[in-house]
Amino acid sequence: DQQVKQNSPSLSVQEGRISILNCDYTNSMFDYFLWYKKYPAEGPTFLISISSIKDKNEDGRFTVFLNKSAKHLSLHIVPSQPGDSAVYFCAGRSGGFKTIFGAGTRLFVKA
Amino acid sequence: SQTIHQWPATLVQPVGSPLSLECTVEGTSNPNLYWYRQAAGRGLQLLFYSVGIGQISSEVPQNLSASRPQDRQFILSSKKLLLSDSGFYLCAWTSPTNRTNSPLHFGNGTRLTVT
Repeated sequence: DQQVKQNSPSLSVQEGRISILNCDYTNSMFDYFLWYKKYPAEGPTFLISISSIKDKNEDGRFTVFLNKSAKHLSLHIVPSQPGDSAVYFCAGRSGGFKTIFGAGTRLFVKA
Repeated sequence: SQTIHQWPATLVQPVGSPLSLECTVEGTSNPNLYWYRQAAGRGLQLLFYSVGIGQISSEVPQNLSASRPQDRQFILSSKKLLLSDSGFYLCAWTSPTNRTNSPLHFGNGTRLTVT
């Protein structure tokens, strides 16, 4: 049972444009959502998070939007830079201990 | 500041051999500790987590086990590796306080290839 789904395995965007990464979830008990960025042969690094009581959280070029009724969240990167090219994982958490990840979306930012 | 160390970075082991991967965290006390695995083309699968010494919760039935002999040490083991155990293994920790809103912090991972 995939509780967190990232249906786009890859995304290609021109430098300077907006990147929008999408994520859907099925577990209504998730109360906290996170986005991670991962380069090859490295561990994921935390990017940004959002509590289920909010619908938007912004940190510099990164903004996460949460639509609870649709069980959908998205990560917006504006403007996109070549260094943003990586795999992005969406994750949900309930109860404070277990963080469940999606399969990831590989972002390519073209110069 | 807190740091997490995971070793080795890469490992090639024959089928049927034992496994021991070690992870240590510095700069924090009583962290929650986690083992994840990323199989080829798949997301990060939670294998084990621990909220204290000797306390291990297993998420999936498998050929692996975990132990926490010290507060900041987490070990992933197997008595006999299978081909399907190949993957990228990641250790992670979260703060023991304000647990709901504490992000996971990952180590650099171990690439395990079982031949």
